[in-house]
Amino acid sequence: AQTVTQSQPEMSVQEAETVTLSCTYDTSESDYYLFWYKQPPSRQMILVIRQEAYKQQNATENRFSVNFQKAAKSFSLKISDSQLGDAAMYFCAYCYGGATNKLIFGTGTLLAVQP
Amino acid sequence: NAGVTQTPKFQVLKTGQSMTLQCAQDMNHEYMSWYRQDPGMGLRLIHYSVGAGITDQGEVPNGYNVSRSTTEDFPLRLLSAAPSQTSVYFCASSGTMYQETQYFGPGTRLLVL
Repeated sequence: AQTVTQSQPEMSVQEAETVTLSCTYDTSESDYYLFWYKQPPSRQMILVIRQEAYKQQNATENRFSVNFQKAAKSFSLKISDSQLGDAAMYFCAYCYGGATNKLIFGTGTLLAVQP
Repeated sequence: NAGVTQTPKFQVLKTGQSMTLQCAQDMNHEYMSWYRQDPGMGLRLIHYSVGAGITDQGEVPNGYNVSRSTTEDFPLRLLSAAPSQTSVYFCASSGTMYQETQYFGPGTRLLVL
C-alpha cells in the first residue's frame, strides 16, 4: 500500500529566509502525482504545488519549489523569502496514476514564521 | 463561481443521532470526494464519486453513506453518529478522476457527544 511520511511535525523559519519541508513516499507504481497543500488556521486546504512523476523537471510556483527525487521517493518543498502568511500546516499528498483520483496524505508539518 | 461549498460549518450531535453534511460545487466537476481530518493525522478518504449515480468506498467508509443524484451535490450521511466520528470533514472536487488537482471546500467541524 502507498504511504506518505512527513518526518518533521514542526518547523520554524525567520521571515525572508528559506525553509525546506521533507516528504517521502512509498509506492511500487511508476505513474503517479504528488502535491503539497497548505492549511492555514482557517482550515481551508489550498493547493501549493503539483508534480507529475513522469516529469524530470522540478515544479515551481513563485516562491515555492520542489525537489523531486523519484528514485529516492522524496518530494521536498522549498519556500524562499518566507512571509508571515506562509505560516500554516503543510501536507504532502500522493495520487496514484490510472483511473482514480484518491489522495493519500502525510501527517503534516506545522510551519511557524518568525518576524 | 463559489467553488466547493459545505454546510454546516459546525455541528454538535448526540450519540445515535443522524445528520447529513452537504457539499456542492458549481464547476461542473465529475469527481467529488469526502475526507476526514483527525488530530495528528492527514486527511483520509471516506467515499468518492466519479459521476452522477456512481459512488465507491475510500479508506474509512464505515458509518457513512453517500449518494450522487446530481453532478453538483454530494451529501455525506451519518446514520447513527458515534464519538469516533468527531472530526473535521472536507469535501473536494476535480474535473475528472484522472489525477486532476482536487479543490477543497472550507470544511465542516463535527462534534459528537
